Amino acid sequence: QSVLTQPPSASGTPGQGVTISCSGSSSNIGSNTVNWYQHLPGAAPKLLIYSDNQRPSGVPDRFSGSKSGTSASLAISGLQSEDEADYYCATWDDTLFGGGTKLTVL
Amino acid sequence: EVQLLESGGGLVQPGGSLRLSCAASGFTFSSYAMSWVRQAPGKGLEWVSAISDSGAGTYYADSVKGRFTVSRDNSKNTLYLQMNSLRAEDSALYYCARRSQYGSAWYTDFWGQGVLVTVSS
Repeated sequence: QSVLTQPPSASGTPGQGVTISCSGSSSNIGSNTVNWYQHLPGAAPKLLIYSDNQRPSGVPDRFSGSKSGTSASLAISGLQSEDEADYYCATWDDTLFGGGTKLTVL
Repeated sequence: EVQLLESGGGLVQPGGSLRLSCAASGFTFSSYAMSWVRQAPGKGLEWVSAISDSGAGTYYADSVKGRFTVSRDNSKNTLYLQMNSLRAEDSALYYCARRSQYGSAWYTDFWGQGVLVTVSS
């Protein structure tokens, strides 16, 4: 069980928005930046958000990140079927990962 | 195009050894820190080890410290993970990944497809 807590599952319908949370403490999220990764089955993980809220080139602006205190969030707007994947938060320079959230697009 | 291709996985008995390799292409390998991250069956991602761009700095998760050794050969654009005294709980898909820096913070911007390691008698 990771010290970064994510909900095991989340869901939404196409076009909806969904938010995935990542809860930590003052020693991890509270004092370090957070990165977010998308992991589709059978594929390599993909960087979605780095340094709390920075989006790499090529990542749609439907994906956004935020952080407040000891918690971080990944928001996905305009859900698409291809967004169905596992999502992981990470901190401490990516040496600490959350347990992951399985997103289902209904 | 950045490519990371892992190899060297397989079935090994408990207590045995295995060396993973990761061939990098599409970028200046010697300019980037690298890491290994694993995913056990049905579990989440777990950071295993990291190495600086020159190889002078190496870092390990507590779960593998003293058993695993990370290294790199910048002349061959290749990253390695020597795994000794393997345990059943080391069974996982091992990903090679490139690290990048934004200010003083690090993130992982490219990942390989992974190589499977199974530790079983």
